[in-house]
This record gives sequence, structure tokens and C-alpha cells, in this order.
Amino acid sequence: DIQMTQSPSFLSASVGDRVTLSCKASQNINKYLAWYQQKLGEAPKLLIYNANSLQTGIPSRFSGSGSGTDFTLTISSLQPEDVATYFCLQHNSWYTFGAGTKLELK
Amino acid sequence: QVQLQQSGAELAKPGTSVKLSCKASGYTFTSYYIYWVKQRPGQGLEWIGYIYPGNGGTYYSEKFKGKATFTADTSSSTAYMLLGSLTPEDSAYYFCARLPGSRGAYWGQGTLVTVSS
Repeated sequence: DIQMTQSPSFLSASVGDRVTLSCKASQNINKYLAWYQQKLGEAPKLLIYNANSLQTGIPSRFSGSGSGTDFTLTISSLQPEDVATYFCLQHNSWYTFGAGTKLELK
Repeated sequence: QVQLQQSGAELAKPGTSVKLSCKASGYTFTSYYIYWVKQRPGQGLEWIGYIYPGNGGTYYSEKFKGKATFTADTSSSTAYMLLGSLTPEDSAYYFCARLPGSRGAYWGQGTLVTVSS
């Protein structure tokens, strides 16, 4: 089974900060990586698919990069509404979510 | 537009079963897999498995074999998940989803299952 490791588990940042979240796969998953945002009590919301493609309707401050085993989600200028937990999801072989990064405002 | 509408919250006693529903609209129900995901409050997401309504084919993650059973009613475009022999560890949100890794991803709003005596 492919394991997905996200870091950090918790992140505290200020409005306007550039925020970078990491996701590492235990084996090559090519570009079959998605990023999700989940707010309390809500379903996960797709932000990025195919590692670097922005889902329709998602603000351009979100971007994704990487391929193979190392991936990054970047928020270029953190907004209050970005407080949430962020999960990566690999779908190269079945599906595996990472454990998530909880993003809070400082 | 594509929507997945899930059934309401359930309160069940240990040892009993619950049947959750996921009603699809806005697309051809028989053409896409429906996936089911478990999330305990404050925890991560676990894949339970999927059903392909086009032929009724199913797949279950090892952990959920014997716990979950998927069915689909093509006449009403509704997927179902039966959770049996409930224990407190089954208390969680359960989501259905379509194409979770792609630009065509859609999720239901989730159903909260609480198992308590």
C-alpha cells in the first residue's frame, strides 16, 4: 500500500503569509495527487488535481507542485477563510489520504 | 449540476445495523463509481470501498470487509451502504464521493452515525 506523509501536522500563520504544505508518497505516484481542504463539519473540497491543476472556482492563491514522491501545496497570501485542515490524496494505486495539516491563524 | 445528497444523521444501538443513502443527480448514475469514506470526528479519512452502479461491482478495503455492504438502485440513482454489527468505533461521518482524485470530483455532505446504547 502507498503511504502518504504530510508535514507539518499543525501550522500557525498570519494573514498575508506565504504558506507551504508538504506531502510525500512512499513510492512513485507520478502526478496522481490531489489536495483537499476541509472545514469543520463539511465535506472535503477539491483544490488541486493532477498535482498542479487548479480546480474550477478555487482562488488563484492556491497552487500545487511536484511529481513522483514529493508534492507541495502553496497558499501565496493566507486569508482568514483558509483556516482548515488540508489533506493530500494519491490515486495512482487505489486511494490514500495523508493524515492532514491543520492550518490556524496566528 | 452534479449533486450527491446523503441521508440524515443516524443514532443506533450497538449490535444493530444502519443503511445510509447517497442520491445522485445531474449525471448518468451508471457511468461512475461511487466511493465511500469514513471520518471519525477530528480524525483523518479512510476509504471503505466503492460500487460501480453500471454492473453492481463492488470493492471493499480489507478493514471494512464484513462491516460494510454496498448496493445501488439505478431506478432512483441512489447508492446505499449498509453498516452492520455496529460498535462505538463505527461512530463517524460517512461520505460518498464521485471521482475523488480528478477535476470531476463531487462529494456528498456526509452522514453522521452515532452508535450508543
